[in-house]
Amino acid sequence: EAEVAQSPRYKITEKSQAVAFWCDPISGHATLYWYRQILGQGPELLVQFQDESVVDDSQLPKDRFSAERLKGVDSTLKIQPAELGDSAMYLCASSFLLPPNTGELFFGEGSRLTVL
Amino acid sequence: QKEVEQNSGPLSVPEGAIASLNCTYSDRGSQSFFWYRQYSGKSPELIMFIYSNGDKEDGRFTAQLNKASQYVSLLIRDSQPSDSATYLCAVVVSGGYNKLIFGAGTRLAVHP
Repeated sequence: EAEVAQSPRYKITEKSQAVAFWCDPISGHATLYWYRQILGQGPELLVQFQDESVVDDSQLPKDRFSAERLKGVDSTLKIQPAELGDSAMYLCASSFLLPPNTGELFFGEGSRLTVL
Repeated sequence: QKEVEQNSGPLSVPEGAIASLNCTYSDRGSQSFFWYRQYSGKSPELIMFIYSNGDKEDGRFTAQLNKASQYVSLLIRDSQPSDSATYLCAVVVSGGYNKLIFGAGTRLAVHP
């Protein structure tokens, strides 16, 4: 069964360091999402790609976060410098169609970031 | 006001009972609504979606939508301990490219 691949699963870093997360969506899925989920909260959309283009990054802290999907396939989310408040699960998801046609987002297992 | 609001719980129900989970949303233009289940330490997975006012049933799950009241609910009949999880309400918010916005989730605990 096709899955969304993410790495690393766990990352511990010190504040002010740079971190990067990678995501490979399900083959053929044009839409890719990065969500951040702080413990006890729901997923918060950081950035949404349609193919290689960013279509929404309104909640992305652009002073420290960046995201790219250069060839419209896999994607990287970077944080530099990391802050204590960035500790969270970073979830990548993909979908074949834009919502609301199905609304089904397929999530990866996530990358848990701890900033010390 | 948050775009999607849920009671964080925990909602505790005995095995075999009906669990009722509620969600309200602020975007009156929203047309599509989803329920995701998230087990502790795992990623969300889609349970149901609903587009039209009324009820939609799928096995032990029933989604209910009232657009006039901007209210969505999920009923779980014959609750099982394996249903213990966080249930996330998600709403498609329009404007440019549509995006899926999640509520904070309601934690459900089904006890034997």
